[in-house]
Amino acid sequence: EAEVAQSPRYKITEKSQAVAFWCDPISGHATLYWYRQILGQGPELLVQFQDESVVDDSQLPKDRFSAERLKGVDSTLKIQPAELGDSAMYLCASSLGRSSLRYEQYFGPGTRLTVT
Amino acid sequence: AQTVTQSQPEMSVQEAETVTLSCTYDTSESDYYLFWYKQPPSRQMILVIRQEAYKQQNATENRFSVNFQKAAKSFSLKISDSQLGDAAMYFCAYRRLQGGSEKLVFGKGTKLTVNP
Repeated sequence: EAEVAQSPRYKITEKSQAVAFWCDPISGHATLYWYRQILGQGPELLVQFQDESVVDDSQLPKDRFSAERLKGVDSTLKIQPAELGDSAMYLCASSLGRSSLRYEQYFGPGTRLTVT
Repeated sequence: AQTVTQSQPEMSVQEAETVTLSCTYDTSESDYYLFWYKQPPSRQMILVIRQEAYKQQNATENRFSVNFQKAAKSFSLKISDSQLGDAAMYFCAYRRLQGGSEKLVFGKGTKLTVNP
């Protein structure tokens, strides 16, 4: 069964350093999402792509976070510089459809970031 | 703003017994979906069950069923014949179309422990 792939699974970095996460959605999925999940809370959407275009980045801290999906397939989320409060699980998800409630979101295993 | 509230941070159940997890949500929309997701420790989030708001019939998936009370904005999950593998964080989520994207909003989760 096809799955959303993420790497790395774990990342430890010092504050003020740059860090990047990678996501490969299920083949053919048009929509890709990045979520941040702070320990003890539910995921919160950071950015949503439809193909290569950003359709929602209203919750992305744009002064330090950036995201791209250049060819409309895999995606990279970057933090520069990392802060202690960025410690969290970063989840990637994908869905088949575009702007539709019908299509399920499939989640990857996440990247656990610890900022020291 | 749409909010999802899970009032039970933790629940426990004996193996083979039934447990109900609570969820309430706040919305002024008429067209939306509701979901329960399961997140086992160190494993990816998976969809347990979904409910379309326009459907009056409660969704059922094997041992999992929901009690959807639209007027009361309540969406509880019942797990029958609980198994050890049901132990996980359970997240209630609300999804609707917003502009050109669909928004998935999660509650804070309920940690379910299954006792042998």
